[in-house]
Amino acid sequence: DGGITQSPKYLFRKEGQNVTLSCEQNLNHDAMYWYRQDPGQGLRLIYYSQIVNDFQKGDIAEGYSVSREKKESFPLTVTSAQKNPTAFYLCASSIYGPTPGHRGDTEAFFGQGTRLTVV
Amino acid sequence: AQRVTQPEKLLSVFKGAPVELKCNYSYSGSPELFWYVQYSRQRLQLLLRHISRESIKGFTADLNKGETSFHLKKPFAQEEDSAMYYCAQDAGNMLTFGGGTRLMVKP
Repeated sequence: DGGITQSPKYLFRKEGQNVTLSCEQNLNHDAMYWYRQDPGQGLRLIYYSQIVNDFQKGDIAEGYSVSREKKESFPLTVTSAQKNPTAFYLCASSIYGPTPGHRGDTEAFFGQGTRLTVV
Repeated sequence: AQRVTQPEKLLSVFKGAPVELKCNYSYSGSPELFWYVQYSRQRLQLLLRHISRESIKGFTADLNKGETSFHLKKPFAQEEDSAMYYCAQDAGNMLTFGGGTRLMVKP
């Protein structure tokens, strides 16, 4: 069963703790993305990676970190520096990164999401 | 910064009425534009992309470079169209989404 899987579905964190959200895909996609979804604010890009061992900051990277050691995996760490971490986090992947020469191939496939709550 | 703007957070129409969800983009070049949809309890998924010039579930979207718009339209809304709709652009370096519009189709 191919797809993109996020875990866990729900996550609770105490203030001051780091927490890591998992994202795995078996679609053989090059590009992976992390978005944050807040009510009324839509999807905001946190980090993205177009290839293994490389990633770029999105619009709201502060307080987050990522790694891309394997093509299949793009974990997101929410650090204690993130001032307002309670949110719904979405991971996505696409067959090619959004680069010139690959137009028309950047359909993004999304995971089911992880709802993080700071208690 | 490359921005995608969806001015309406909520759009409520009656079944059978026409629907237009507005989207404006900021990229000055030739962006690749998409509409994504999220039905209740389902994953966010691609609805249509402008490069394909296709109609999906009766929806169409036309790129207007002069107005930098990519509005989503359907002539006759159905109750099953109720969902969250996101406009997105790929401007060559990252995929950026608008704030989303919730469409509610009333019986």
